[in-house]
Amino acid sequence: DSGVTQTPKHLITATGQRVTLRCSPRSGDLSVYWYQQSLDQGLQFLIQYYNGEERAKGNILERFSAQQFPDLHSELNLSSLELGDSALYFCASSLEAANSPLHFGNGTRLTVT
Amino acid sequence: AQTVTQSQPEMSVQEAETVTLSCTYDTSESDYYLFWYKQPPSRQMILVIRQEAYKQQNATENRFSVNFQKAAKSFSLKISDSQLGDAAMYFCAYRSRETSGSRLTFGEGTQLTVNP
Repeated sequence: DSGVTQTPKHLITATGQRVTLRCSPRSGDLSVYWYQQSLDQGLQFLIQYYNGEERAKGNILERFSAQQFPDLHSELNLSSLELGDSALYFCASSLEAANSPLHFGNGTRLTVT
Repeated sequence: AQTVTQSQPEMSVQEAETVTLSCTYDTSESDYYLFWYKQPPSRQMILVIRQEAYKQQNATENRFSVNFQKAAKSFSLKISDSQLGDAAMYFCAYRSRETSGSRLTFGEGTQLTVNP
């Protein structure tokens, strides 16, 4: 158990809809990262938050947004969903130190029909 | 920007044998960290091993070890005495030390099959 909790585990929705994915980081971790993994692909970095502030942005679409709340949990909002958004979305958390590994949640499987 | 390349999309090994997975990376930084993660069929991401670039000694974790060649920007993973449970997708990843709290940049992965 990595200590990172993601909900829901599975999500099935229709094109054009909006969904929210939730992540609770490991106790003590201030950084939260969101990654997207499409079928049989590598992990693509979306966005990072540190202690409530956006720290870095990757290949995140304008239809996607995220935030980190004062209790350090994070939410990833996906809107105007398209078939191509179907993927496994991972949240990870880490300590500030660069030698600290990222600890991953079990992911949210999003299926857009 | 840093890039990570895993040139072997698939590898296979016989149970109890040794296999080496390749990884190369490109960076202009001198200090950084390298990681190998394992993703079994459950899709969970599991840390296998980490290496600090300023350390000459190769990291080892039980049956897993790395061959870190900084000048060649190479970071291979050796799995000894392979077990059926080692079957998974393996990802090599880079993390900058110069940027505090920076992201992990992943390679495309190597799918490892372990044959009984």
